[in-house]
Amino acid sequence: QITLKESGPTLVKPTQTLTLTCTFSGFSLSTSGVGVGWIRQPPGKALEWLALIYWDDDKRYSPSLKSRLTITKDTSKNQVVLTMTNMDPVDTATYYCAHSWIGPTTDYFDYWGQGTLVTVSS
Amino acid sequence: QTVVTQEPSLTVSPGGTVTLTCASSTGAVTSGYYPNWFQQKPGQAPRALIYSTSNKHSWTPARFSGSLLGGKAALTLSGVQPEDEAEYYCLLYYGGAQSNWVFGGGTKLTVL
Repeated sequence: QITLKESGPTLVKPTQTLTLTCTFSGFSLSTSGVGVGWIRQPPGKALEWLALIYWDDDKRYSPSLKSRLTITKDTSKNQVVLTMTNMDPVDTATYYCAHSWIGPTTDYFDYWGQGTLVTVSS
Repeated sequence: QTVVTQEPSLTVSPGGTVTLTCASSTGAVTSGYYPNWFQQKPGQAPRALIYSTSNKHSWTPARFSGSLLGGKAALTLSGVQPEDEAEYYCLLYYGGAQSNWVFGGGTKLTVL
């Protein structure tokens, strides 16, 4: 059974750096084809894909946010960490992590965490 | 900046059929965009429905199907149920040196 859970601060101040942790179970990030991604959703708005890290440490970022994002993994702890620098009130959102799988002819996200709401305010 | 466009809202009667579409600003959507579809109900995390255009997850109800239609990715609901009222999002993969994923703006489906 695959589960993911996001954790981190619920409130950050403008200009601060946000660090979020995704702790998962039911799969290993050392298994070929496996990835973990981050997605966010501002209140009342659409989903936005942020970043993805694969089993081989390959990393992908949203072009519009790439300069502010860093994604890392700790395979031994079953965790993926996302950092976002220079936070702004527009970054207020629910942040989700999700399990991903890439194969020869397929690529998808299937299992999602429950999400964690991060508010940016002074 | 790549933009993925969905219908903002659609309405369908219970038992009816409705098709939601997903277009890319870069041109026709093909299987190489690995279209994914998700359902999200208020206060809940998104739930995956379809991947790689037309493949269903083990939990996806049979009434949901995915396809390519007129240069777009499409999600068709046949025999719509009241519980299908939700927001639906597509997700497209853009390959290349800096490959990334882009969500559509979502379609609010009302069952009325």
